[in-house]
Amino acid sequence: NAGVTQTPKFRVLKTGQSMTLLCAQDMNHEYMYWYRQDPGMGLRLIHYSVGEGTTAKGEVPDGYNVSRLKKQNFLLGLESAAPSQTSVYFCASSYKGQKYEQYFGPGTRLTVT
Amino acid sequence: GEDVEQSLFLSVREGDSSVINCTYTDSSSTYLYWYKQEPGAGLQLLTYIFSNMDMKQDQRLTVLLNKKDKHLSLRIADTQTGDSAIYFCAEKRRRGSTLGRLYFGRGTQLTVWP
Repeated sequence: NAGVTQTPKFRVLKTGQSMTLLCAQDMNHEYMYWYRQDPGMGLRLIHYSVGEGTTAKGEVPDGYNVSRLKKQNFLLGLESAAPSQTSVYFCASSYKGQKYEQYFGPGTRLTVT
Repeated sequence: GEDVEQSLFLSVREGDSSVINCTYTDSSSTYLYWYKQEPGAGLQLLTYIFSNMDMKQDQRLTVLLNKKDKHLSLRIADTQTGDSAIYFCAEKRRRGSTLGRLYFGRGTQLTVWP
């Protein structure tokens, strides 16, 4: 099993450009999540999905959109990147239910200039 | 994540024990987790404890939970240089949500000196 994978690993964008981050998991997990991590901060939830075709907002959703067209993939889109979106983005997935832990991908480091 | 509090830095000598502390906010939290993050890597689950337990031991790791004070600690025995990393405390809150979202602390940077 590859677990949770993320592409790309690094990206530099100019302000106003758009991009999509891809997260894929091969563990048949129902739940998927996108977090961002900023220096000296814990992870903050951007958006999440409890199943194929469903998405919901987390703590810091503004400026991002997501889609879950297939169970194994969760896409995070930035329509018009801003310097405040410079961050490390982590995807995670888990089985449905309280007792299951989240598995994290290796992260995407995004810089917006 | 700012409601989960952790000290930001801890330095210990190799071979000593490390204790990382965390306070959380929601008494309805069901599970509490410790994640480890090495430089340039994602988060790796180290251990977790269910809210009806007060202690869990797993090899060199001991987790203590004080529900009355909402205090969680992670003790690493015989700390090694390979334990140097950022350690995140996280609580899974149930209140108002069936999802059980994770709320993270800011992380404690553990530095182990040889």
